[in-house]
Amino acid sequence: DVKVTQSSRYLVKRTGEKVFLECVQDMDHENMFWYRQDPGLGLRLIYFSYDVKMKEKGDIPEGYSVSREKKERFSLILESASTNQTSMYLCASSRTMKGYTFGSGTRLTVV
Amino acid sequence: AQSVSQHNHHVILSEAASLELGCNYSYGGTVNLFWYVQYPGQHLQLLLKYFSGDPLVKGIKGFEAEFIKSKFSFNLRKPSVQWSDTAEYFCAVNPGAGSYQLTFGKGTKLSVIP
Repeated sequence: DVKVTQSSRYLVKRTGEKVFLECVQDMDHENMFWYRQDPGLGLRLIYFSYDVKMKEKGDIPEGYSVSREKKERFSLILESASTNQTSMYLCASSRTMKGYTFGSGTRLTVV
Repeated sequence: AQSVSQHNHHVILSEAASLELGCNYSYGGTVNLFWYVQYPGQHLQLLLKYFSGDPLVKGIKGFEAEFIKSKFSFNLRKPSVQWSDTAEYFCAVNPGAGSYQLTFGKGTKLSVIP
C-alpha cells in the first residue's frame, strides 16, 4: 500500500512563528499536494508539485510556501503563522489521475 | 474556475434507509469524477471513481454513483445504510487533459442512527 506520512498529528504554534509541515510518500509518486480542510468548506488546494523543485499555486496560496527538494518529500511552510491558519492540513500524492492517496492529516492550532 | 456543489451539509438517516447524496459540478469539458469518504478520526479514502464508459459506477462497501452528463451530476447512492456508514462524504472533480488537480465539494456529513 502507498503510504503518505505526515510528520505530526497535532501541532500548536504561536502567532508569528514559522511553521513547517512535512509530508513523505514511499511510492515514487511524481505529484504531491497540500490541502487544508475546514468544517463547511471542504478541502481547498494550497499548493501542488509535479516534480522535484517544481511548485504550482493552488486556490489559496496566500501565507504559505512549499519546498520539494526530494521526490518523496513535500513540505508546507507557514512563513508567519496566524490564527486564521488554524486548520487540518492534508497531504496527498498520486502518480496518475487514478486517485490520490492522502495522509492522516496534521491538525494545526495557532494561538 | 470549476466548482463542485454538494447539496446537503448534514444528512441524518435511520439504519436500512436508502441514501442519495447530490453532487453537481461546473465544468464544460471532459471530467474525471470521484467520491471520497472520511470516517471519524481517519484519513480520506476513495469510495469510487468515474473516468469513462458505463455511467453507473460501483464502489466499495455497496456504494454506487451515476454520472449524468446532461445534468453535470454525479450522485452517490446506497440502497440500505448502516451505522458504520456514518462519515463525511466528499465529491471531487478533475478536469482531465493532463491535469492532476482535484477540486472538492464542501462535503456532506452523514449520520446513521441505529
